[in-house]
Amino acid sequence: EPEVTQTPSHQVTQMGQEVILRCVPISNHLYFYWYRQILGQKVEFLVSFYNNEISEKSEIFDDQFSVERPDGSNFTLKIRSTKLEDSAMYFCASVGASGYTDTQYFGPGTRLTVL
Amino acid sequence: AQSVAQPEDQVNVAEGNPLTVKCTYSVSGNPYLFWYVQYPNRGLQFLLKYITGDNLVKGSYGFEAEFNKSQTSFHLKKPSALVSDSALYFCAVRDSNQGGKLIFGQGTELSVKP
Repeated sequence: EPEVTQTPSHQVTQMGQEVILRCVPISNHLYFYWYRQILGQKVEFLVSFYNNEISEKSEIFDDQFSVERPDGSNFTLKIRSTKLEDSAMYFCASVGASGYTDTQYFGPGTRLTVL
Repeated sequence: AQSVAQPEDQVNVAEGNPLTVKCTYSVSGNPYLFWYVQYPNRGLQFLLKYITGDNLVKGSYGFEAEFNKSQTSFHLKKPSALVSDSALYFCAVRDSNQGGKLIFGQGTELSVKP
């Protein structure tokens, strides 16, 4: 069964460093998302991406964040200068062509620890 | 604005007993509702969704959910709980704008004891 994959599973970085989180969505899916979950809290939306551009972004997704789909398979989230409060689990999700009625399938997540 | 509420932080159930995890929603327009489960240190796994049609939706692992429009609820149920059902459960509603993001409730920790 197709699944969303994410790498790395755990990333430890120093405050101020750049990190890139990688995701491979389900092939033939067209909508892509990043969410994050701070430990013990609910899942929060960061950004949605469709047709090679951002569809929507949350207040969390400030100038330090960017997303890219550099080729036909990868979807990346870059944090330019990490802060302590960026420590969280980051989930990638993708949806097929039907959009609203389709299910968002989530990857296993990348745990980001900022020291 | 769309929102989801899960009024219980924790639900405790004895194995073999029925379980209910509650969810209420607020949307403008048609609600597209989802339940996900998260096991420790794992991602979100899709359980079931309501888009249209029958108010009783059946999903994975024997779970089902009842959509109630008048009470704006979408409670998750299972007739007979298993210890392995112990996990964090999230209710979510699909946002109606172009991006289609999911808006999650705060989660309910389900604990099933033998």
